[in-house]
Amino acid sequence: DTAVSQTPKYLVTQMGNDKSIKCEQNLGHDTMYWYKQDSKKFLKIMFSYNNKELIINETVPNRFSPKSPDKAHLNLHINSLELGDSAVYFCASRHTKTGRTVTEAFFGQGTRLTVV
Amino acid sequence: RKEVEQDPGPFNVPEGATVAFNCTYSNSASQSFFWYRQDCRKEPKLLMSVYSSGNEDGRFTAQLNRASQYISLLIRDSKLSDSATYLCVVNLNTDKLIFGTGTRLQVFP
Repeated sequence: DTAVSQTPKYLVTQMGNDKSIKCEQNLGHDTMYWYKQDSKKFLKIMFSYNNKELIINETVPNRFSPKSPDKAHLNLHINSLELGDSAVYFCASRHTKTGRTVTEAFFGQGTRLTVV
Repeated sequence: RKEVEQDPGPFNVPEGATVAFNCTYSNSASQSFFWYRQDCRKEPKLLMSVYSSGNEDGRFTAQLNRASQYISLLIRDSKLSDSATYLCVVNLNTDKLIFGTGTRLQVFP
């Protein structure tokens, strides 16, 4: 009954390949995110979707294309992988319309991508 | 200037010590504030939200100073299990959650 689940957990692939990471949340949240955590451990937001609509796109190369088929899913497809794409990618979700003052984000366990 | 800044540490403290972490943010329109904890090779998890009047949860106390755009986290009576990276998180009014670089805490026996 994992709240936010990502697959795969580990991904090793060669430069130039295309790969996808999947994310699903069963919390009924309306907003989902993708974050990238690099080797320096800095968590940087990449994308945010609210009710399947792209809200935030943070100067990410267009080789990265998120897709949200429904509110519970946000997948990340990466074309022509480069060495610099090696990082841990975290999916997260939260409510943004609950009427509460603050709402926390719940994270998936992360996908460790290594490009060789 | 980074949107959310933290001292990366590491802070090495003995068990039982009191330790404080600070965080500053650059956008005065920021609306919500959080402290997250991240263990090695794990996902970030919410430690506590930060309210305007300050709030406490057991050994943890969070404070917010909007005028100075400053957030703090105080940990009393440190335990070995408190060793982790503590992430300051700021929510802008665009629902954008911005993370600081994190402060690493190591508690030793």
